[in-house]
Amino acid sequence: QKEVEQDPGPLSVPEGAIVSLNCTYSNSAFQYFMWYRQYSRKGPELLMYTYSSGNKEDGRFTAQVDKSSKYISLFIRDSQPSDSATYLCAMASGTYKYIFGTGTRLKVLA
Amino acid sequence: DAGVTQSPTHLIKTRGQQVTLRCSPKSGHDTVSWYQQALGQGPQFIFQYYEEEERQRGNFPDRFSGHQFPNYSSELNVNALLLGDSALYLCASSFRGPRSGANVLTFGAGSRLTVL
Repeated sequence: QKEVEQDPGPLSVPEGAIVSLNCTYSNSAFQYFMWYRQYSRKGPELLMYTYSSGNKEDGRFTAQVDKSSKYISLFIRDSQPSDSATYLCAMASGTYKYIFGTGTRLKVLA
Repeated sequence: DAGVTQSPTHLIKTRGQQVTLRCSPKSGHDTVSWYQQALGQGPQFIFQYYEEEERQRGNFPDRFSGHQFPNYSSELNVNALLLGDSALYLCASSFRGPRSGANVLTFGAGSRLTVL
């Protein structure tokens, strides 16, 4: 079993839709949870960073962490074609390394 | 403010050759991590350098080695290249300093290696 599981998609939604992206994990030591966006042939770009459980909102993006269920989510409101990218969840237990999911490819249709 | 810069952006090698990839961290960052991202996969941790020392290593063979210089820049070396080493190699920098906790990683655009 992988430490972090993420549906690879692809996920296609119409412009303006609410998008829900999810990851599950098995390592209860994870305390830091991140979401990165990666455009084709580019490096990952940090969207959200959360410590422990709870919600965090930044503009159209909301990150949720449920440590009891080992489940994290990223919601994108009013999705735009420019949101079309691969979304990677990442987790860490300390300072050294992140464990990434495989990424979910999202396409927002105009 | 320059972010993380990597060179070269693309390169092609043949099996058995050696490659060196370079990374300059974001200004103010003191820690460099290297990740390998195969096509359609998430990045996999190779190792991290802080204070010119390898601090932790992922599940990669000794063919993968690195170095950090006094100006915090870093190199990734891969010897005896295999076809399976074809991937996007990502450098990420962060500020570690004296505190604990996961540091926010800033990634470069990567070096795309093709091994023929």
